Amino acid sequence: GQNIDQPTEMTATEGAIVQINCTYQTSGFNGLFWYQQHAGEAPTFLSYNVLDGLEEKGRFSSFLSRSKGYSYLLLKELQMKDSASYLCAVKDSNYQLIWGAGTKLIIKP
Amino acid sequence: DVKVTQSSRYLVKRTGEKVFLECVQDMDHENMFWYRQDPGLGLRLIYFSYDVKMKEKGDIPEGYSVSREKKERFSLILESASTNQTSMYLCASSLDQGSSYEQYFGPGTRLTVT
Repeated sequence: GQNIDQPTEMTATEGAIVQINCTYQTSGFNGLFWYQQHAGEAPTFLSYNVLDGLEEKGRFSSFLSRSKGYSYLLLKELQMKDSASYLCAVKDSNYQLIWGAGTKLIIKP
Repeated sequence: DVKVTQSSRYLVKRTGEKVFLECVQDMDHENMFWYRQDPGLGLRLIYFSYDVKMKEKGDIPEGYSVSREKKERFSLILESASTNQTSMYLCASSLDQGSSYEQYFGPGTRLTVT
């Protein structure tokens, strides 16, 4: 079966750095996405990785290792507005997105 | 900016009622999707469509049907609503099925079936 694993919940302090991990087992791989979802709102696209390595986009970076079936999302200089759920999703061999359950990130002052 | 809109943010229906959820996108996207989102579970694909009048079953199509008569509009139909269909329903669209194309989501419809 296909599976995406991410921690259920994480807590971090304003101004700090947090790393949210995602491991996956899918039938084929056509890229990995990270989305942010604030409570009661729609998911919004954050990043896309298809090759190994780190993609940096402002305060957010995303890393991929295809051989390990592993990705992480790194958030720097945390702000209160970063409190949200972070969803990891992988496009499989049929180009369908397989979604993790999401990681709820709580930022404390 | 891509805009995906859904007909209702909140909906309360009775068991056995027929329920229509509508989704409209304004960016001429080929692909449209219906998901449901439940606590502790990832988004689960109900149906998707890659062209007008085309539809494909997702992972959990039972109890649902869809209609895509126009490119911009994708409707989800619950033929006879049941309490286990109480959920958040999210519509999404994407330009193409290719690897790098992200999906854009509507605000969601929180459906309660009593």
